[in-house]
Amino acid sequence: SAVISQKPSRDICQRGTSLTIQCQVDSQVTMMFWYRQQPGQSLTLIATANQGSEATYESGFVIDKFPISRPNLTFSTLTVSNMSPEDSSIYLCSVDSGRAGELFFGEGSRLTVL
Amino acid sequence: EDKVVQSPLSLVVHEGDTVTLNCSYEVTNFRSLLWYKQEKKAPTFLFMLTSSGIEKKSGRLSSILDKKELFSILNITATQTGDSAVYLCAVASQGGSEKLVFGKGTKLTVNP
Repeated sequence: SAVISQKPSRDICQRGTSLTIQCQVDSQVTMMFWYRQQPGQSLTLIATANQGSEATYESGFVIDKFPISRPNLTFSTLTVSNMSPEDSSIYLCSVDSGRAGELFFGEGSRLTVL
Repeated sequence: EDKVVQSPLSLVVHEGDTVTLNCSYEVTNFRSLLWYKQEKKAPTFLFMLTSSGIEKKSGRLSSILDKKELFSILNITATQTGDSAVYLCAVASQGGSEKLVFGKGTKLTVNP
């Protein structure tokens, strides 16, 4: 199994600011995934981050709002830009275990936007 | 569009009760169905199901998949307060993408 560390664990942010979430994995992985979980909602995939190429965004998510970096095979960042209260969510980093869709998740980052 | 629907959305039981959580899905090119337990923020893996009719079991938890009727159930027997969590169902599809589609979850509360 992979150990995934996310920072920050939680933060309270002001409207209009941006915040970068970091995700560190203890082993090299090809793909890293960023999910969002809004209050009372399911986990929704934001984008897939591959090392050496641009992230692939899901419908409804754009690079200007959620820029992603993937500088190496163990690290990725997700920035939530120009935040509004609607961005208040848990943001989760995950990696594939290699077994038919099973994912390992980081501890999550709970963002509250005032 | 792929879809996962879980029921009930919430459930309150007493310790010792047995509960059944439901998950139905519509997905193109089904590959697997997964159950996760989410206590605080990070979901933790419980089961992965790929074949119909084969029960997966881990202690008091068990799960089974029906690929004909497109649903799965998660059973928890002799519930304990530590079972209180949100239980998430997700499906993975074939075709190269590692994307999982999640349901909204069932919030289980086990009272002493």
